[in-house]
Formats: sequence, structure tokens, C-alpha cells
Amino acid sequence: GAVVSQHPSWVICKSGTSVKIECRSLDFQATTMFWYRQFPKQSLMLMATSNEGSKATYEQGVEKDKFLINHASLTLSTLTVTSAHPEDSSFYICSARGSSGRVRGEQYFGPGTRLTVT
Amino acid sequence: AQKITQTQPGMFVQEKEAVTLDCTYDTSDQSYGLFWYKQPSSGEMIFLIYQGSYDEQNATEGRYSLNFQKARKSANLVISASQLGDSAMYFCAMTLPQAGTALIFGKGTTLSVSS
Repeated sequence: GAVVSQHPSWVICKSGTSVKIECRSLDFQATTMFWYRQFPKQSLMLMATSNEGSKATYEQGVEKDKFLINHASLTLSTLTVTSAHPEDSSFYICSARGSSGRVRGEQYFGPGTRLTVT
Repeated sequence: AQKITQTQPGMFVQEKEAVTLDCTYDTSDQSYGLFWYKQPSSGEMIFLIYQGSYDEQNATEGRYSLNFQKARKSANLVISASQLGDSAMYFCAMTLPQAGTALIFGKGTTLSVSS
């Protein structure tokens, strides 16, 4: 199956700094990528939908100025957590959807990035 | 809007027994897809099984089967012959066929398999 990578896999940063997380589709073109956040023992909550070449669509309650998303190419989307605070500590997972429009088998997840803000 | 409900926060089963994880969904769309994912402690999302809304037969993948009851809007996962390695969190999810539509997840069920 298709592969989605995320970098870094884990990161520790100080409060007030910014952190960039990359999501890459390695062997297919992903016109749409999704960013999820997951707190311990909770579900994946959709943060935003990232479309190549256009502005991301954020879910209600997600601050777009805090979580900057850039989808500059068909294989790369980045999530930047700006001015991170301890409450931003979470597991961030991206997923990519192929462009054929089929539902089956076209959702690929990255391995996730564990962010800890001290 | 779509909604997924998983009412079992935790389930316990002994090795070699079968277990059913419940999932109900809500949508006004006629065309949709239902998924089950396994998430071990490492955090990776492992795809288990898929059911399309127009599929007449229940999906099966090895030890996993999906009990799809469309009228009841339920899509329960059945794991047969449980193994210790099945201990993980399990998520039911749904999406629509339109490009750019995300997976929406239920709250998940933590499955613990004991020997």
C-alpha cells in the first residue's frame, strides 16, 4: 500500500517556541491531506483539511493562526504549531487521500508525531 | 454531518475467544464507507476492514469480520480467536466518497486480551 511519512516522530520544545511537523506521501500524489490531534486514550479529532495549492479548512474550535498548515506540493503538507504551550502537547497524525475519489483503500496514515511542550 | 458512536470504553476477552466491538453511525448520505482501525500503544493506525454502504455482503478480512446492519446503522467488528497481540485501541470510522472528505472517528474501544 501507499506510504505516508511524518517527521519528526517525536519532539520536545520549550513553551513559546514554534514547531513544524512534516507529512509526506512517498509514492502517490495526495491532493488532500488531513491533520488530526489525539490526546492520551482519546479519539482522533480532525483539526483541518489541507488541499494542495489552497488554504486549509479548519474545524470549528481550531485556531488557524496557531496551527499553520501549508500544502505546497502534491506530496507535502506541513503543520506548524506556533507559540506552543504545554496544552498543545499531543499526538499529531496526518493522513492522505488519493485523488481517485474511491472510498475504499484510499486513506493512508502517517505514523504520528508526539509533541511535548515544556 | 456524520457521527460515529462507540459505547464500549473497554472490553476484556480471553485468548481464543471471539469478541464484538460495537459501532453505530449516523449520516443522511446514501453512499459512505465504514472502517475499523487498530491503534496499538505505538500510535500507528492500522487499517483492519472496510464496508461500503452498497456492499450487500458483510466484509471479512482474516479473523476480522464486520457485521453490517444498514437499517440499524450499525457496523460492529467481530474478532474471532482473539490473540494477545490484539490488545489495543480500536476505532470505528466513516467517510464519504467525495474527494477531500476526512475520516470521522468514534471515541474508540480499548480491548484487553488475557491468557
